[in-house]
Amino acid sequence: GNSVTQMEGPVTLSEEAFLTINCTYTATGYPSLFWYVQYPGEGLQLLLKATKADDKGSNKGFEATYRKETTSFHLEKGSVQVSDSAVYFCALSDGSNTGKLIFGQGTTLQVKP
Amino acid sequence: EAQVTQNPRYLITVTGKKLTVTCSQNMNHEYMSWYRQDPGLGLRQIYYSMNVEVTDKGDVPEGYKVSRKEKRNFPLILESPSPNQTSLYFCASSSGGRYNSPLHFGNGTRLTVT
Repeated sequence: GNSVTQMEGPVTLSEEAFLTINCTYTATGYPSLFWYVQYPGEGLQLLLKATKADDKGSNKGFEATYRKETTSFHLEKGSVQVSDSAVYFCALSDGSNTGKLIFGQGTTLQVKP
Repeated sequence: EAQVTQNPRYLITVTGKKLTVTCSQNMNHEYMSWYRQDPGLGLRQIYYSMNVEVTDKGDVPEGYKVSRKEKRNFPLILESPSPNQTSLYFCASSSGGRYNSPLHFGNGTRLTVT
């Protein structure tokens, strides 16, 4: 079945450091891929998405490229800020009529000043 | 403001006492869904609804019920809660599940069953 695997957290970085959070997936067909972010005490918010191979999603300085050959969708940011501290979820949608997103387990990012 | 509103935010109850978590969205979305979030497991879908009067089971539906009598509301019902239903619950909506529209999430309901 479809699944998403994220790197274990927490990830602790200093402000202005480079961020990578790894995400790999297993899916049949051609899924769409998403990154969601969850700030403390809040629900998840869509950060970026990519709907086909080689697409790059980007938002707020974050980027992720849909790599079909390596079944990956790694999240990157060139210079993190304290305000980026949150839990990040990688997810996939297989486009079926269930509308279901399959989420990874989440990666906690802590950015220290 | 476009939003998904869940109530209550926090709920402590005892085993077997029926409860309802409400969810309402003001975006005229057809698709609504409930997830539970547990440490190390990410989010898992409980139930979903493609439109009014249309509901279906997700991955972990046991012990839960839902209804969709109106487009904006999608309550989650626990007829006889048990401690293994202690979790963080999220309601979400989108304009169309089939077309990979992004999900809009509520702020969550933290449920503790003792």
